[in-house]
Amino acid sequence: GQQLNQSPQSMFIQEGEDVSMNCTSSSIFNTWLWYKQDPGEGPVLLIALYKAGELTSNGRLTAQFGITRKDSFLNISASIPSDVGIYFCAGQRTNAGKSTFGDGTTLTVKP
Amino acid sequence: DAGVIQSPRHEVTEMGQEVTLRCKPISGHDYLFWYRQTMMRGLELLIYFNNNVPIDDSGMPEDRFSAKMPNASFSTLKIQPSEPRDSAVYFCASSFSQRNTGELFFGEGSRLTVL
Repeated sequence: GQQLNQSPQSMFIQEGEDVSMNCTSSSIFNTWLWYKQDPGEGPVLLIALYKAGELTSNGRLTAQFGITRKDSFLNISASIPSDVGIYFCAGQRTNAGKSTFGDGTTLTVKP
Repeated sequence: DAGVIQSPRHEVTEMGQEVTLRCKPISGHDYLFWYRQTMMRGLELLIYFNNNVPIDDSGMPEDRFSAKMPNASFSTLKIQPSEPRDSAVYFCASSFSQRNTGELFFGEGSRLTVL
């Protein structure tokens, strides 16, 4: 079936550093979504991307929809302790109903 | 506006017992999803419904698992009999297809421990 390769699996960074993570797929998606899961909670949507090449920002977060439609990346600038959590990418095809999720990137930020 | 509501938040049970997890989706949403999250396998889609009808249950591990959606505001995931390897966090999520955004709204999860 469809699979998303998300990397890195985990990151340990210092507060104030920038973070970059990405997702790649062997098949095309029409929508890319990035979620964040805080400890003990369900994932919450951060950014959604709908067009190849699209670059979207949400505060310190920036995400891009790859030109080939087979990849996406998420950047976090000037990380802070509350950025800690698991970040998931998800791809969806039009009218597919369901999303395919990556395995997640676990982010730890040291004060 | 209330989000997706799941119950119980935590359940500890013994092997062989029946477990029922419950979910109330966001009002007006027409898709409902059940996911399972473990350290080993990450976030797995078990089954999803559209307009109360099961569309894809290929992720349901085995016959011990069953899910129902008797109406638009309620769904259950049942495990009978439960086994220690079923220990996980089970998430329910809902979405509204008419917005066509792909966004899923997740509940806070039900943490199941089978001893």
